[in-house]
Amino acid sequence: EAQVTQNPRYLITVTGKKLTVTCSQNMNHEYMSWYRQDPGLGLRQIYYSMNVEVTDKGDVPEGYKVSRKEKRNFPLILESPSPNQTSLYFCASGRASPYEQYFGPGTRLTVT
Amino acid sequence: QKEVEQNSGPLSVPEGAIASLNCTYSDRGSQSFFWYRQYSGKSPELIMFIYSNGDKEDGRFTAQLNKASQYVSLLIRDSQPSDSATYLCAAYYGNNRLAFGKGNQVVVIP
Repeated sequence: EAQVTQNPRYLITVTGKKLTVTCSQNMNHEYMSWYRQDPGLGLRQIYYSMNVEVTDKGDVPEGYKVSRKEKRNFPLILESPSPNQTSLYFCASGRASPYEQYFGPGTRLTVT
Repeated sequence: QKEVEQNSGPLSVPEGAIASLNCTYSDRGSQSFFWYRQYSGKSPELIMFIYSNGDKEDGRFTAQLNKASQYVSLLIRDSQPSDSATYLCAAYYGNNRLAFGKGNQVVVIP
């Protein structure tokens, strides 16, 4: 089954404790992206990647890091999480662009 | 700043009626436009995209694009309770990035 998976699905953590949210896709897609979704603000892009070792900033990259060492994986790293990063995070992938993106199930992160 | 506006409040429509959603965008350079559906607690899923002026139909869904007026709309014909969801409009403005609107909630009343 073609899918994008994210782990964990739910995470409660404390300020400053480094965390990683994993994202994996099994569709051999070149394009992958991370979004956050907040009430009243909609979906905002954090980072995206066009291929292995090729990443670039989206609209709200501050406080986040990403890496793309393998085509299928695109982890999101929060080196020092803060409460304003409490949000619902989605990973998405597309064959070669953001057209026809498939979204993962989401990760609900709470930073206290 | 690339902005996509979806200003309408929740839309309630009776079952079988047409639901009409509108979206405006600020960047005339935007090339293509997307409609996503998001059920409560779920991830967005693509309904359709449009890049040429005019209408594009896919089943009960019709997307309409007017680049001169910078708006995109989505019509849902014969609305069903399963269409109750939030609909997200997005614009592609190059650099492999999308800008999303905040979404419009649709409630189909049986």
